[in-house]
Amino acid sequence: TAGITQAPTSQILAAGRSMTLRCTQDMRHNAMYWYRQDLGLGLRLIHYSNTAGTTGKGEVPDGYSVSRANTDDFPLTLASAVPSQTSVYFCASSDPGQMLNEQFFGPGTRLTVL
Amino acid sequence: AQSVTQLDSQVPVFEEAPVELRCNYSSSVSVYLFWYVQYPNQGLQLLLKYLSGSTLVKGINGFEAEFNKSQTSFHLRKPSVHISDTAEYFCAVSPSGTYKYIFGTGTRLKVLA
Repeated sequence: TAGITQAPTSQILAAGRSMTLRCTQDMRHNAMYWYRQDLGLGLRLIHYSNTAGTTGKGEVPDGYSVSRANTDDFPLTLASAVPSQTSVYFCASSDPGQMLNEQFFGPGTRLTVL
Repeated sequence: AQSVTQLDSQVPVFEEAPVELRCNYSSSVSVYLFWYVQYPNQGLQLLLKYLSGSTLVKGINGFEAEFNKSQTSFHLRKPSVHISDTAEYFCAVSPSGTYKYIFGTGTRLKVLA
């Protein structure tokens, strides 16, 4: 079982450019999440989706957008990247309905915006 | 609203010594509690979780945690650490029955030879 896959593994991006971080899960979990991890700040929620077709804003949504066209995919888009978006991005999923209360995480995408 | 506090940002400990990583939370509703481990350049993995029942929870790799409702704590312990336990550890809470998770800022455990 692959679990959650993220692509790319790492990326260097010029400021002002757009980019989409991909996230796919094969566990049929209803909920999916995007976090960014920064030193000393832990994980901060960017956006989430409780089920396909719905999305919501997390703690730090500005500069990011998401979509949830189906259960498996939850891409994160940076429309016009800025250096402060340099971070490690983690996608996660969960499904309390399956009595799986914990979150399952992908391996992360390391993004550097220059 | 809920919050999670991990007061220790770094904990150095010698190999084979015991360790306790502290986690305190605040919440006006019942919550589920989790500890995750992150090894260098990897994603987070679940160590253990408390949903209900016995307040002492055993997880993988010899770790355990005790839920203390009166002190709103969920400290992580291991009686004897190994070099391979060097990692960052995150405490998290989730209000029961919701999709919401709140993470602490993490504690970096460094095991010294």
